Amino acid sequence: DAKTTQPNSMESNEEEPVHLPCNHSTISGTDYIHWYRQLPSQGPEYVIHGLTSNVNNRMASLAIAEDRKSSTLILHRATLRDAAVYYCILSLNFGNEKLTFGTGTRLTIIP
Amino acid sequence: NAGVTQTPKFRILKIGQSMTLQCTQDMNHNYMYWYRQDPGMGLKLIYYSVGAGITDKGEVPNGYNVSRSTTEDFPLRLELAAPSQTSVYFCASSYLGLTSGELFFGEGSRLTVL
Repeated sequence: DAKTTQPNSMESNEEEPVHLPCNHSTISGTDYIHWYRQLPSQGPEYVIHGLTSNVNNRMASLAIAEDRKSSTLILHRATLRDAAVYYCILSLNFGNEKLTFGTGTRLTIIP
Repeated sequence: NAGVTQTPKFRILKIGQSMTLQCTQDMNHNYMYWYRQDPGMGLKLIYYSVGAGITDKGEVPNGYNVSRSTTEDFPLRLELAAPSQTSVYFCASSYLGLTSGELFFGEGSRLTVL
């Protein structure tokens, strides 16, 4: 099964952009890349997902490397509400519903 | 819409007891999931369902059972509770499944087995 590697923790200043990296060197051609975040004492919250092309939505942008072995979640202007654990996850196979979360990156926002 | 609703929010069980964690969603989603999260860890998939009457095992199904008799409800049954089942349990749902849609999570049910 393809695995992801993320830094355990990161810090960023409020109102600045944040780049959260994720390595997935064994990704297969049909694996989607998903990002979720989990605020303290809450269930995870969907952020964004993509397959090959870069993706944007109102929460964030997802930049996917050309070889798909890594990706970066970009929060364009961090706020204190963005402090959370961010999970980078792969769908194991197309149509396979088994999505397993690793330990993620704990993002701290400095006021 | 209430989204995904889990009950109870907290429960303490004695070893060997059984209980059912309830999960209901009002978004007419076909896909539903149960995850568990141990302290300081990520989430692990227990069971999932792609529609009423259809369920399948996830990564850690042992000690649990599920059923999906309606689109709205996906209860998780714990038989013969053990301390290793102490965890926070999250239910989630999705309209189109993982590869083409997002998961919506409930607020979690914190279970302690003593």
